[in-house]
Amino acid sequence: AQKVTQAQTEISVVEKEDVTLDCVYETRDTTYYLFWYKQPPSGELVFLIRRNSFDEQNEISGRYSWNFQKSTSSFNFTITASQVVDSAVYFCALSVGGSQGNLIFGKGTKLSVKP
Amino acid sequence: DTAVSQTPKYLVTQMGNDKSIKCEQNLGHDTMYWYKQDSKKFLKIMFSYNNKELIINETVPNRFSPKSPDKAHLNLHINSLELGDSAVYFCASSSLGEKLFFGSGTQLSVL
Repeated sequence: AQKVTQAQTEISVVEKEDVTLDCVYETRDTTYYLFWYKQPPSGELVFLIRRNSFDEQNEISGRYSWNFQKSTSSFNFTITASQVVDSAVYFCALSVGGSQGNLIFGKGTKLSVKP
Repeated sequence: DTAVSQTPKYLVTQMGNDKSIKCEQNLGHDTMYWYKQDSKKFLKIMFSYNNKELIINETVPNRFSPKSPDKAHLNLHINSLELGDSAVYFCASSSLGEKLFFGSGTQLSVL
């Protein structure tokens, strides 16, 4: 069975702090995709990143970075120098096989960044 | 120029009513989906249609019926609404091997 665990339900930081959101996944498939989505208070789901199971390279996009480690089945997300606008619920998700549309979501981590 | 649009954005209705949520995508994708986000923010797939054919049907009450008149549309009909149906429903679309594009969601409140 496939599963995504985001153990941190809520995190609160002060602006400019760095914060890491944890994501642990379970699957027996060798081909899978991992995703992160952001859901700001306005409610829409904003795509942040997609990573396939054959690409363990870490990625950096501005203040955002992702650490994919197959050995620990983790796909963690770090925000450097957090800003108030980063306040949102962040979801990690998994899809297996060729379909990237059937997403298995974690329960989300609510990040609050205080000024 | 919204890629995936769903209407209405808010839907307030009484228990027992029948309602529909419409979804349209202009991205030329061949697969469309409905996801449900409950009050605890948990997101779960409900249905998936590929070229108007149902390919995923999770454990959803048969009061929920998706209808896809063409590749660009996937509507969700809900009969005999119950309090527990209150949630945010997201439509999404994708092409084979590509990521999902989500609509902005429909907040359904059943009173």
